Amino acid sequence: EPEVTQTPSHQVTQMGQEVILRCVPISNHLYFYWYRQILGQKVEFLVSFYNNEISEKSEIFDDQFSVERPDGSNFTLKIRSTKLEDSAMYFCASRAGGTTYEQYFGPGTRLTVT
Amino acid sequence: AQSVTQLGSHVSVSEGALVLLRCNYSSSVPPYLFWYVQYPNQGLQLLLKYTTGATLVKGINGFEAEFKKSETSFHLTKPSAHMSDAAEYFCAVSEAGGAQKLVFGQGTRLTINP
Repeated sequence: EPEVTQTPSHQVTQMGQEVILRCVPISNHLYFYWYRQILGQKVEFLVSFYNNEISEKSEIFDDQFSVERPDGSNFTLKIRSTKLEDSAMYFCASRAGGTTYEQYFGPGTRLTVT
Repeated sequence: AQSVTQLGSHVSVSEGALVLLRCNYSSSVPPYLFWYVQYPNQGLQLLLKYTTGATLVKGINGFEAEFKKSETSFHLTKPSAHMSDAAEYFCAVSEAGGAQKLVFGQGTRLTINP
């Protein structure tokens, strides 16, 4: 069964450093998403991406964040200058589109900023 | 704006007992509703969804949920709990059209007692 994959599973970085989280959505899916879950809190929407552009972003997704689909398979989330409060589990999700409404999630990347 | 409230951050039931996890939503338009399950150190797995049509929906692992518009609820049930059901469960809502971002509840941790 096709699945969303994410790398790395765990990333440790120092405050102020740039990180890139990588995702490979399900092939032929058209809509891509990033969510995050700070420890003990709810899963929060960050950004959605369709047709090579951002379709919606949350207040969390400020200028420090960017997304890219550099080729036909990868979908990346970049945090330019990490802060301690960026420590969280980051989930990538994809959706086929059309009359398919469910999103399929990857296993997540745990980002720890020290 | 959409929102989801899950009543009870922790629910504990005996093996073989009924599982009932409560979810209430707020949406200005007809919602799409989802239940996801998260096992320890894993991503979010779709249990079931309601978009249109039959209000009682069945999902994987014997779970089902009923959409009740008058009560703005989408409670998750399973007639007989199994030890393997121990996990965190998230209710989520999205709207038709647009990015269809998911708005999640706080989650309910389900514990199964032998």
